[in-house]
Order: sequence, then structure tokens, then C-alpha cells
Amino acid sequence: SQTIHQWPATLVQPVGSPLSLECTVEGTSNPNLYWYRQAAGRGLQLLFYSVGIGQISSEVPQNLSASRPQDRQFILSSKKLLLSDSGFYLCAWRGNGLFETQYFGPGTRLLVL
Amino acid sequence: AQTVTQSQPEMSVQEAETVTLSCTYDTSESDYYLFWYKQPPSRQMILVIRQEAYKQQNATENRFSVNFQKAAKSFSLKISDSQLGDAAMYFCAYRSNAGKSTFGDGTTLTVKP
Repeated sequence: SQTIHQWPATLVQPVGSPLSLECTVEGTSNPNLYWYRQAAGRGLQLLFYSVGIGQISSEVPQNLSASRPQDRQFILSSKKLLLSDSGFYLCAWRGNGLFETQYFGPGTRLLVL
Repeated sequence: AQTVTQSQPEMSVQEAETVTLSCTYDTSESDYYLFWYKQPPSRQMILVIRQEAYKQQNATENRFSVNFQKAAKSFSLKISDSQLGDAAMYFCAYRSNAGKSTFGDGTTLTVKP
């Protein structure tokens, strides 16, 4: 069966510090991968998605970046965090069919102080 | 760009009763996919039900069913025989043919015993 992992679960970082959040998927190959951010009490904002290794589409211009160094690994990064980067970050994967369900990871709660 | 609107920030229902959560969307596409996700306090996103736009028949999953009105661009979720475990935040989501998903801001459902 497929599983999706995210770490860390919680992170507290000072403004201006770098960020690296990791997401890995097991039990499937060539998944479509997504990074979302969720503000408190709000819906999900799509940040990045990837259809293959090295292929990243950015949805929102900001100080975040994403990389996909391996087929089932998706990394969200920042060189310098802003206060507004605080939030709940969710990684998701789905198969290649458009009607495929998206499966979400457990999320990372990021607090920038 | 597609938009998804959930006009009910909060809803409540008595246990064993029926509740309907509304969702409308805006798109110029003819083929797309619609989803309802549930996010309990654990913040794990869980698929509740999904619908392909080209299918006229409304999707049903046990106590959950949808009322899909393509012309009106409406996709409401009906929960029958509500249970305490149904309490969560519910998100409506639109997926385009390009594979990008847009989420509404969510409806918080409270189930009263």
C-alpha cells in the first residue's frame, strides 16, 4: 500500500532563517506531487506541483521554492523565512489519472517568530 | 482561473439528522472533477466523495451523497444520519483537466449529541 511521510511535524524558526521540509511517498512510482499551505481556518493554497523528477510548477510567487531530486521525494525550501510563511504545510500525491484521489501527508506546522 | 466558494463558514446538525453543505465554483472548462474532503482536528485530509463532471448521476458513498448541478456550477454534499465522528472541517475542491486543484475555504461542521 502507498504511504506518504512528512517531516518535521512541527517547526519553530526565526525570521530570516532557512527552511527545508521533506515529503516522501512509498509504494507508488511517478506520482504527481503537491505542496499546499493552509492558513488557520482557511482552505488549501497550492504552492507547487510536480509531474516528474526535476519538473516543478510554481503557483504563487514568493520566497519559497520546491525541488524533486528523486521520483518520490519532494522538498519545500526557503533561504530566508518571513513571518507570513507561518502556517500548516501539506504534501500530497496522486496517480497519473485525472480522477485519481489526492492523498495527503500528516502536515508540518511551521511557526516563524 | 477557477474559484471555489463555500458560503457556509459554520454549520451544525443534530446527531442522526441530515445536513447539506453547499459549494459553488466558477470555471470555463467543460471537463473537470469535483471532490469533498474532510479535515478532522488531527488535520489529516481525508477524501469523502468525488464526482466526474461528465457524469450526470450524482455520486454516493454510504451516508454521503452529492447534488451536482453542472449548469448551476453547484456541488453540495449531503450527510445523512449524522454521527459525532462527522464533526470536522469540510472542503470542496475543483480539479481541472490540467490536474491543478482549487479548494474552497471550508465549512466547519458541528454535530450535536
